[in-house]
Amino acid sequence: DIQMTQSPSTLSASVGDRVTITCRASQSISSWLAWYQQKPGKAPKLLIYKASSLESGVPSRFSGSGSGTEFTLTISSLQPDDFATYHCQQYSSNFRTFGQGTKVEIK
Amino acid sequence: EVQVVESGGGLVQPGGSLRLSCAASGFTFSSYRMTWVRQAPGKGLEWVASIKQDGSEKFYVDSVKGRFTLSRDNAKDSLYLQMNSLRAEDTAVYYCARDRGPAAMGEWGQGTLVTVSS
Repeated sequence: DIQMTQSPSTLSASVGDRVTITCRASQSISSWLAWYQQKPGKAPKLLIYKASSLESGVPSRFSGSGSGTEFTLTISSLQPDDFATYHCQQYSSNFRTFGQGTKVEIK
Repeated sequence: EVQVVESGGGLVQPGGSLRLSCAASGFTFSSYRMTWVRQAPGKGLEWVASIKQDGSEKFYVDSVKGRFTLSRDNAKDSLYLQMNSLRAEDTAVYYCARDRGPAAMGEWGQGTLVTVSS
């Protein structure tokens, strides 16, 4: 199975900061990577699919990049609503896998 | 509006069984792969199982193979997860999601909690 590794596990940042989260795949997944945002007690929300495509309705401060085995999610200017946990997921394989998540906390 | 709604969670003893359901609306159910994802308390997301559009192929995470069975009824726009031989480590919120293929899992239900405990 394809293993997904996110870093960091926790990130402390302030409103207005530029934030970058990294996700690495154990083998090439081309661009078949998605990013989800999750808030406590809520279902995940899709932000980015196919590594860099912005889901409809998602603010443009979110962007994704990468291909192969290394990917990044960037929030250009962190807003109060962005404090949450972010998950990457590969869907190159029929056996989808998630990273362990990155919690973005208020500094 | 695309919507998926899970039901069927609850408290069950170790070794017991439970059947989760996911009711879909607002889209052509038979055109989409469907997926279950779970989240244990305080943990990350774990992909559990997926089923192709016509139900011909099913895929499971190793930890549930032989214990969980995924099925769908396209006439009823419904997805099911039969969970047998439940273990404490199966305790989690189970989410149903529409798998849009290249466009990833865009719509999720609110989740249903399964607690396996004596």
